[in-house]
Amino acid sequence: QKEVEQDPGPLSVPEGAIVSLNCTYSNSAFQYFMWYRQYSRKGPELLMYTYSSGNKEDGRFTAQVDKSSKYISLFIRDSQPSDSATYLCAMSAKSNTGKLIFGQGTTLQVKP
Amino acid sequence: GAGVSQSPSNKVTEKGKDVELRCDPISGHTALYWYRQSLGQGLEFLIYFQGNSAPDKSGLPSDRFSAERTGGSVSTLTIQRTQQEDSAVYLCASLSKGGANYGYTFGSGTRLTVV
Repeated sequence: QKEVEQDPGPLSVPEGAIVSLNCTYSNSAFQYFMWYRQYSRKGPELLMYTYSSGNKEDGRFTAQVDKSSKYISLFIRDSQPSDSATYLCAMSAKSNTGKLIFGQGTTLQVKP
Repeated sequence: GAGVSQSPSNKVTEKGKDVELRCDPISGHTALYWYRQSLGQGLEFLIYFQGNSAPDKSGLPSDRFSAERTGGSVSTLTIQRTQQEDSAVYLCASLSKGGANYGYTFGSGTRLTVV
């Protein structure tokens, strides 16, 4: 079993929809949680970062972490065709050393 | 440079040949990471450099894989005797000294195809 599980999709929604992306994990030592967005043939770029449990909002994006359930979510409001990409969750036990553990990535398509 | 630069962007090689992939990190970034992304998969950690040292190379899949970093800057990932299962996108990321993990900057990757 992988340390981080993420449904690969694909997920297809109409423009303006609310999108919910999720990951579950098994390692209780994870404290730092990230969401990356990856466009086709590009490297991942950081979208959201959260430390420990709680919510964080940035424009149309909201990240939630529930450490008790080992579950993290990314919500996208008023989705746009430009949001069409692969979304990867990533997590780490430490803030400044070593590797990130990534989920498989969810492919999202927002249709005009 | 302004970003992480990887070369070549695409590489097609015959099974059994050796390949070298290059990563040029952001100037001044001391930490450098290599990841592999297979089709439809998330990123798989390969190796981490702090300066020219590799404190964690636990992700290298076999002894056919090696990496080095010189001058605390450019890194080369070498795959010897390539196999078809080595086909993937190889991504490099760099991080400033003392930077938190969320400060990763990724390159666009090298797409390797072994035929």
